[in-house]
Amino acid sequence: AQSVTQPDIHITVSEGASLELRCNYSYGATPYLFWYVQSPGQGLQLLLKYFSGDTLVQGIKGFEAEFKRSQSSFNLRKPSVHWSDAAEYFCAVPNNAGNMLTFGGGTRLMVKP
Amino acid sequence: GAGVSQSPSNKVTEKGKDVELRCDPISGHTALYWYRQSLGQGLEFLIYFQGNSAPDKSGLPSDRFSAERTGGSVSTLTIQRTQQEDSAVYLCASSPGVGQNTGELFFGEGSRLTVL
Repeated sequence: AQSVTQPDIHITVSEGASLELRCNYSYGATPYLFWYVQSPGQGLQLLLKYFSGDTLVQGIKGFEAEFKRSQSSFNLRKPSVHWSDAAEYFCAVPNNAGNMLTFGGGTRLMVKP
Repeated sequence: GAGVSQSPSNKVTEKGKDVELRCDPISGHTALYWYRQSLGQGLEFLIYFQGNSAPDKSGLPSDRFSAERTGGSVSTLTIQRTQQEDSAVYLCASSPGVGQNTGELFFGEGSRLTVL
């Protein structure tokens, strides 16, 4: 069965520092991969998605992610973090039928001033 | 409205009571999902509706949970005889449902359920 693992439950970075959030997936074929963000008290919002083609994907709010098949990873990056980026981030992969998303456990990002 | 709307935003109930949570998806979206978000449990799939097809109920944790979707639009998640372990945020999402949009879900802000 498809699954995603986010090894880091909490990450704290200083404002202006770079960020990398890890996501590892288990999938039988080339996966579709997604990153969502959940700000406090809000629903989830799509940051970016990978379907095929260029392995470096650009998203909203200055985020990007790189698909690495050899490492079964889809890590999320941002060169300079802003205080408003403090939120919980979820990596996700659909099932074979494409009718349901399986989410990782999430990584809570805290930003120090 | 433009987004997925859920009500109530907060619900406090006593153990053993029934609750209904409502979701109004984005107009034109054929797929509708319910997820549960509990502390320490992440996001748990509950049920999926696609058009007029039979729903995928494989994620419902017990027969106390049920959901319906009327007219292919609004959905209601019902929890009967609530238990304390049902306390969670219940998230609804919708999507266009086909093609490359698969997986691009649009979420509501959730209904926070607290069972005392």
